[in-house]
Amino acid sequence: AQSVTQLDSHVSVSEGTPVLLRCNYSSSYSPSLFWYVQHPNKGLQLLLKYTSAATLVKGINGFEAEFKKSETSFHLTKPSAHMSDAAEYFCVVSFKRGGSYIPTFGRGTSLIVHP
Amino acid sequence: DGGITQSPKYLFRKEGQNVTLSCEQNLNHDAMYWYRQDPGQGLRLIYYSQIVNDFQKGDIAEGYSVSREKKESFPLTVTSAQKNPTAFYLCASSITGTGYNEQFFGPGTRLTVL
Repeated sequence: AQSVTQLDSHVSVSEGTPVLLRCNYSSSYSPSLFWYVQHPNKGLQLLLKYTSAATLVKGINGFEAEFKKSETSFHLTKPSAHMSDAAEYFCVVSFKRGGSYIPTFGRGTSLIVHP
Repeated sequence: DGGITQSPKYLFRKEGQNVTLSCEQNLNHDAMYWYRQDPGQGLRLIYYSQIVNDFQKGDIAEGYSVSREKKESFPLTVTSAQKNPTAFYLCASSITGTGYNEQFFGPGTRLTVL
């Protein structure tokens, strides 16, 4: 079955320390993968996407993610957290359903940044 | 300015009433989507449309209906058959439904059924 799993519902870091948000997926092929961020009561904004080019993808606000096919993972990282990074983060995988590719969302990881 | 608009931002309805949520985009995107967001459950797909006059059920379509008469518009009706309609509803669009294109999201509508 095709699925996307975000391994942590909450991640808590101190400002200035590294961030790691984990995402694994289950698929028989290499799908398109995305990370989105959502600030409270807002819509979602694209952070970055992987579409079979370079395996290390750089996004906005200093975030990056590495696609590892052997591990079926697409973890999101940032070297140094900022207070403004506190938000909900979603890993999204486009799976084929019938004749269409439909985005499937993970349950989200809430990033908490302490001063 | 190109983007997606959803209205209203907040909506209150009495139990048993149908309610329609608006979603408009001026990005010239072919594909549009409706999601429901509940705490701790991520976004769940209600309906999607890849082209005008065509739409498909998502994972939680029961109690909802949509139409796609114009490329720019994809309204969602929450019917009285939806057992637990109180939630945050997000509309999105993408250039096509090929899966390689990112989605653009509206600001959402928070529906509360009293």
